Amino acid sequence: GAVVSQHPSWVICKSGTSVKIECRSLDFQATTMFWYRQFPKQSLMLMATSNEGSKATYEQGVEKDKFLINHASLTLSTLTVTSAHPEDSSFYICSAQDTGTGSYEQYFGPGTRLTVT
Amino acid sequence: RKEVEQDPGPFNVPEGATVAFNCTYSNSASQSFFWYRQDCRKEPKLLMSVYSSGNEDGRFTAQLNRASQYISLLIRDSKLSDSATYLCVVGAGGYNKLIFGAGTRLAVHP
Repeated sequence: GAVVSQHPSWVICKSGTSVKIECRSLDFQATTMFWYRQFPKQSLMLMATSNEGSKATYEQGVEKDKFLINHASLTLSTLTVTSAHPEDSSFYICSAQDTGTGSYEQYFGPGTRLTVT
Repeated sequence: RKEVEQDPGPFNVPEGATVAFNCTYSNSASQSFFWYRQDCRKEPKLLMSVYSSGNEDGRFTAQLNRASQYISLLIRDSKLSDSATYLCVVGAGGYNKLIFGAGTRLAVHP
């Protein structure tokens, strides 16, 4: 149980284009999902907290107009990187909390590797 | 000061060795604590939660000292498959956010 999927697993795009990444909880409902970014040899950095049916909460320094988050259902959150630039190239990972358990435990998706050329 | 600090390593140990990782956190209001494992270019996977009384899961033992704001992970009888980066993770007190340490790399060699 507690499986989270992400799509795509990797993507290469040209500078200036937008990329959408999907995060799905497959066998549980997730009121709250999280989006992280990880640069090589660095730790995961929380970008934003995604809440179903409401606006996402962004961490300091993360541009909300550049990283659009939509959490339209209890099993799906999307992150859109708008007008991507090479410095946005990174490993983007989502996680989800099981609404049913009330636990703080987060289940991670397999990540999306974004390369902007 | 970082919210969660870990020795980056790497720890290079032979198979069968016992290795200990330490972690300190700055937010005294934190209520949840975890150790995650991350393999190269993969997502983190939960290794174990850490409870105040300490807990053990096979070869892995986790300890928490709230007074010192210190968490540890002990791995006994290391296996080659234990080679990974171990992430100390702390709940951001009252909220459901998790704060990740930078991780400690472990390399187990034959």
